[in-house]
Amino acid sequence: DQQVKQNSPSLSVQEGRISILNCDYTNSMFDYFLWYKKYPAEGPTFLISISSIKDKNEDGRFTVFLNKSAKHLSLHIVPSQPGDSAVYFCAANSNTGNQFYFGTGTSLTVIP
Amino acid sequence: DTGVSQDPRHKITKRGQNVTFRCDPISEHNRLYWYRQTLGQGPEFLTYFQNEAQLEKSRLLSDRFSAERPKGSFSTLEIQRTEQGDSAMYLCASSSISNQPQHFGDGTRLSIL
Repeated sequence: DQQVKQNSPSLSVQEGRISILNCDYTNSMFDYFLWYKKYPAEGPTFLISISSIKDKNEDGRFTVFLNKSAKHLSLHIVPSQPGDSAVYFCAANSNTGNQFYFGTGTSLTVIP
Repeated sequence: DTGVSQDPRHKITKRGQNVTFRCDPISEHNRLYWYRQTLGQGPEFLTYFQNEAQLEKSRLLSDRFSAERPKGSFSTLEIQRTEQGDSAMYLCASSSISNQPQHFGDGTRLSIL
């Protein structure tokens, strides 16, 4: 069972515009959420995280929003840059468990 | 901080052979994780160590798979009698405490002929 879902396999955005990547989860026990970026032939690189006590966390061009009632989080990248082109994974974890659950990823292409 | 290191980067072997992968985590991290990733999927949890203790194993980890972290530093993942379905990227990650980001290595890509 896929507890973390990314329903958009791919997304294309013009350089300078906003990229919005979405993620849904089913387990209400999840209380820590992360976004990772992955380039080909490399491991995932941590991007930004959010705890369930917050609904927004911002780091430079990257903002993560958490809607606990909808069990939904999103990653906003503004402005998008060609170097942001990569696969983005969301992941979730609960304080009572050791497993991190990953979505299937969204491939972002930023068009110059 | 030299990052998480995995060796080898690529492994090609014949079906039925045994393979072993190594992971060197970030030195001050006491938590170490193994994941498997196949094409079009996200990383899937295999097992977790806190120091030298293996505290959790996924049901994905069949009895052909064994992982160790003998001194709480590096870890090895062994797959015995490899099968075609074992072809995947095997990722190692480490972290310092719970609810902190995991730092991943670049993985070992296993191809079974």
